[in-house]
Amino acid sequence: DVKVTQSSRYLVKRTGEKVFLECVQDMDHENMFWYRQDPGLGLRLIYFSYDVKMKEKGDIPEGYSVSREKKERFSLILESASTNQTSMYLCASSLYYQPQHFGDGTRLSIL
Amino acid sequence: ELKVEQNPLFLSMQEGKNYTIYCNYSTTSDRLYWYRQDPGKSLESLFVLLSNGAVKQEGRLMASLDTKARLSTLHITAAVHDLSATYFCAVDLGSSNTGKLIFGQGTTLQVKP
Repeated sequence: DVKVTQSSRYLVKRTGEKVFLECVQDMDHENMFWYRQDPGLGLRLIYFSYDVKMKEKGDIPEGYSVSREKKERFSLILESASTNQTSMYLCASSLYYQPQHFGDGTRLSIL
Repeated sequence: ELKVEQNPLFLSMQEGKNYTIYCNYSTTSDRLYWYRQDPGKSLESLFVLLSNGAVKQEGRLMASLDTKARLSTLHITAAVHDLSATYFCAVDLGSSNTGKLIFGQGTTLQVKP
């Protein structure tokens, strides 16, 4: 079974802090994704990566960056956290056109 | 810009009833996915629909795809309480092999005894 592991289930940070969210997958998938989920808005793609060191912006990349130094790990970085980045963050991975497999999510609160 | 719209966004139904969730999308795509999310949990893949006319069934759920109408449906037969969850459709842009998806807003299904 594919396992996508996000480093924290719950995280509380302060405005202006640099925040790192980590995601690791164990199935050698090429593609990895970061979404944020907000009530009534569904899932919105922040960034995705289709290979090591390759990344592309999704629909809402502002205020975020990503890093993929190894195939199994995809990190989301909030450069200077703001209260409007309080949300549920979901990481996913996939092999080409196969369904995406999701982690359990990180509920991030910015105070 | 690709838009994916689900209808309805909230559905409350009695056990034993049938109902359909609709997923409309605004541009050409040959791949559509349905996911389920239980409260407080992550998303779980239900169906992958890969071509026009594709139909998949699992238990009381049946999904279909009409690429010409840019419409997918998720039909629920004789609903039971265990089907209470939020259901998302997602469309593959298809322009590369990145697997990038655009998700609908989600339909929250509440099945009452």
